[in-house]
Amino acid sequence: GAGVSQSPSNKVTEKGKDVELRCDPISGHTALYWYRQSLGQGLEFLIYFQGNSAPDKSGLPSDRFSAERTGGSVSTLTIQRTQQEDSAVYLCASSLDVRGPLVDTQYFGPGTRLTVL
Amino acid sequence: AQSVTQLGSHVSVSEGALVLLRCNYSSSVPPYLFWYVQYPNQGLQLLLKYTTGATLVKGINGFEAEFKKSETSFHLTKPSAHMSDAAEYFCAVILYNTDKLIFGTGTRLQVFP
Repeated sequence: GAGVSQSPSNKVTEKGKDVELRCDPISGHTALYWYRQSLGQGLEFLIYFQGNSAPDKSGLPSDRFSAERTGGSVSTLTIQRTQQEDSAVYLCASSLDVRGPLVDTQYFGPGTRLTVL
Repeated sequence: AQSVTQLGSHVSVSEGALVLLRCNYSSSVPPYLFWYVQYPNQGLQLLLKYTTGATLVKGINGFEAEFKKSETSFHLTKPSAHMSDAAEYFCAVILYNTDKLIFGTGTRLQVFP
């Protein structure tokens, strides 16, 4: 079956512009995560969705960052007024569920490489 | 607070040699533990995980890891390195009662012929 897909694979934008990054999780996975991978900060958690709600937004670095998920499936991460420090690879992951003692594996997409000029 | 420490940002081994990548966690309650691998320009792929039960966990591509509570460690090993093992390896934890992965800084493995 298909894995997690992300689009675009690469995005180059100018400072101050808004960008939208898309994630299509594995079909049937109720949990969805966004992470960011950058040279300075390594891999860091941004936000987690259970269905369409986001119980944990603790990793969003500023109010310029927002995310939504519709229909329990596709998610969009939006960065407004992009800054150069937003340049990174944005990774999406999905899992069946997070609750209970059996922690489900998070399956990662290939990422979107964002470059802010 | 640092939850995951990977010792050695770069490890080099010869083909056929033992691979040992170190990971220690800091948590009063043992977390759930993971090793992921990232090949160049690709996403993260799960190698293995420990959640409960047997402390020696076998994963894909001949890798295994042992959870040692007394040492707060979860080191990754492979008896014989292959050229295709060259990649970056990340140790990660999910702390009890949370949902997100917390990653170590990664170890880049080089394999020489």
